[in-house]
Amino acid sequence: NAGVTQTPKFQVLKTGQSMTLQCAQDMNHNSMYWYRQDPGMGLRLIYYSASEGTTDKGEVPNGYNVSRLNKREFSLRLESAAPSQTSVYFCASNQDRVAEQYFGPGTRLTVT
Amino acid sequence: KNQVEQSPQSLIILEGKNCTLQCNYTVSPFSNLRWYKQDTGRGPVSLTIMTFSENTKSNGRYTATLDADTKQSSLHITASQLSDSASYICVVGYNTNAGKSTFGDGTTLTVKP
Repeated sequence: NAGVTQTPKFQVLKTGQSMTLQCAQDMNHNSMYWYRQDPGMGLRLIYYSASEGTTDKGEVPNGYNVSRLNKREFSLRLESAAPSQTSVYFCASNQDRVAEQYFGPGTRLTVT
Repeated sequence: KNQVEQSPQSLIILEGKNCTLQCNYTVSPFSNLRWYKQDTGRGPVSLTIMTFSENTKSNGRYTATLDADTKQSSLHITASQLSDSASYICVVGYNTNAGKSTFGDGTTLTVKP
């Protein structure tokens, strides 16, 4: 039982490049989330998926797209990376929207 | 605007001592309040979760309290250990149907030998 896994762990992009961050959970959770964490700031919700087949915008969705590929997997795509997207990205999941969330180890992204 | 404010921003204590971290929130409608521990370079890990009707919850040496009337919560750590050095994050859930949450900026705790 690996919990929530994320790939890659680290990534460096140049401005304008695109990439997809992958997230998978093996706990059969219904809801999945993508957050970003900037230094000295709290986590901010980018997108979430309350259940398979649905996605909704969070607090800071601009510049991102998501796909809930199946119940296990939830990916985050940056179409044209910008330096302002340099951050640590966390994926999380829970059984329902009020239950405790389980977080992945994070992806550290630098955009130059 | 929904806000969660944590204090102090950082705290240094000696091993074996107790400490209390504070969380004040202006979130409506309140759904739940969670405390997480985040070690450096890792994802947050849940410590406690409380709903409106709960005013205290413990997890080992961690005890969280909730006063829904004053919209305050505290996390008390007893007999601190070096491994307690981490960031502690208060998260308040609101709008139950949408499952939305507001995160505090965290309190950085350093436990010294």
